[in-house]
Parts: sequence; C-alpha cells; structure tokens
Amino acid sequence: DSGVTQTPKHLITATGQRVTLRCSPRSGDLSVYWYQQSLDQGLQFLIQYYNGEERAKGNILERFSAQQFPDLHSELNLSSLELGDSALYFCASSDATDGRSSYNEQFFGPGTRLTVL
Amino acid sequence: AQTVTQSQPEMSVQEAETVTLSCTYDTSENNYYLFWYKQPPSRQMILVIRQEAYKQQNATENRFSVNFQKAAKSFSLKISDSQLGDTAMYFCAFMNPHTSGSRLTFGEGTQLTVNP
Repeated sequence: DSGVTQTPKHLITATGQRVTLRCSPRSGDLSVYWYQQSLDQGLQFLIQYYNGEERAKGNILERFSAQQFPDLHSELNLSSLELGDSALYFCASSDATDGRSSYNEQFFGPGTRLTVL
Repeated sequence: AQTVTQSQPEMSVQEAETVTLSCTYDTSENNYYLFWYKQPPSRQMILVIRQEAYKQQNATENRFSVNFQKAAKSFSLKISDSQLGDTAMYFCAFMNPHTSGSRLTFGEGTQLTVNP
C-alpha cells in the first residue's frame, strides 16, 4: 500500500459525459501528479500540482482539468468524454520540497479505470 | 523533449535464471534520474530501482541491478534468480527535475513472464 488513495476504482460512462476522479496523497506530501495509461498512448504525464498550485503541464487535453484543494487532495475532471479517453488514470504524490527542482520518489495510487462506452 | 525507448515488448525467462531488460533514452541534459517501475497484474506501479546520472556506480537492490552507460544513453535492468512474482510489465522512466519538473517520462514497457 503506497498510502495514495484514488476513487472510484472503476468508472463506466458514456460518450459526451463528464466525470471527476479523486486522489488523496500520502500524508504530508505536497505534490500530486496525474498520469494516463492507455493502450495507444502508453503511460503519459498529464499535470502536476504543488501545494495547490499548478506546477507542470504535460499532454493534457483542453477537455481535461485538475485542481488541488487546501487539504491537498486533488481532482481530475474529464469532460465531453470520447471513446479514446478510456484508460487507467494514476495519481502519484511526493514530498518534493518545491515541486520543481528536486527529486523525491513518487508514490502511485492504485488507479481509476475509466471506460467510455 | 526527452524520449525513452524499450525495444523489447515481451520477454520470458525460466524461474531462477537471469534476464536483462533494455532501455535507451535521449536527452541533452547532464543531470537526471532514471528509474525502473514494475506493474504486476494488479496494475499497481511499484518502484524497483533508481539511478542518479551523476553517480558512476550502478544501482543495486537485492536481485535487481542496472547497467548504466551514460555516454551510450543506455539503462538496462538485470533481474537475477528470477521468481514467479517478477512476472509483470516493466517500465523504464526518466526524470530531469531541473528542466522539466518532476514529471516522469516512461518507455513503452516490456512484459516479462517468468516460467516455472
């Protein structure tokens, strides 16, 4: 158990819908990362938050957005869903001191399996 | 942009034998970190081993060791005394906190099967 929790574990929805994925980082971790794992794109970085602020952005679609709340949990919002958005979405957390220029191990949650029908 | 390439989509090994998984990467930076992650059928991502680019000594964690060739931009993982529980997808990953934040860039993965 990494200490990172993600809910829900599975999500099945239809095209055009909107969903919210939730992540609770390890106690004390200020950085949260979101990754998408799909068959055609592999594992790719979406976005990082550090202590409530966006720190880095990867290949995240405009239909996707994220935020980190004062209690440090994070949510990834996916809207206007398409079949190609079906994937495993991982959240990871670390205790990076500034979220930018230091290495700290990232601990991954169990993932949320999203299926778009 | 950094890229990570794993040229072996699948590999298999007999229990107790040794297997080496390959990884190459492309970067113009000098200081960075490299990782091997394991993803068993449970889909959980588990850190196996990491290597700091400024360290010449190859990292070792019990049965897992790496062969880090900085000039060749190669980072292979050797698993000794393979066990059935080593069956998993293995991902090589790159991080340069100084230029691209703490994001991990992953390779395509190698599916390793350990046969009894």
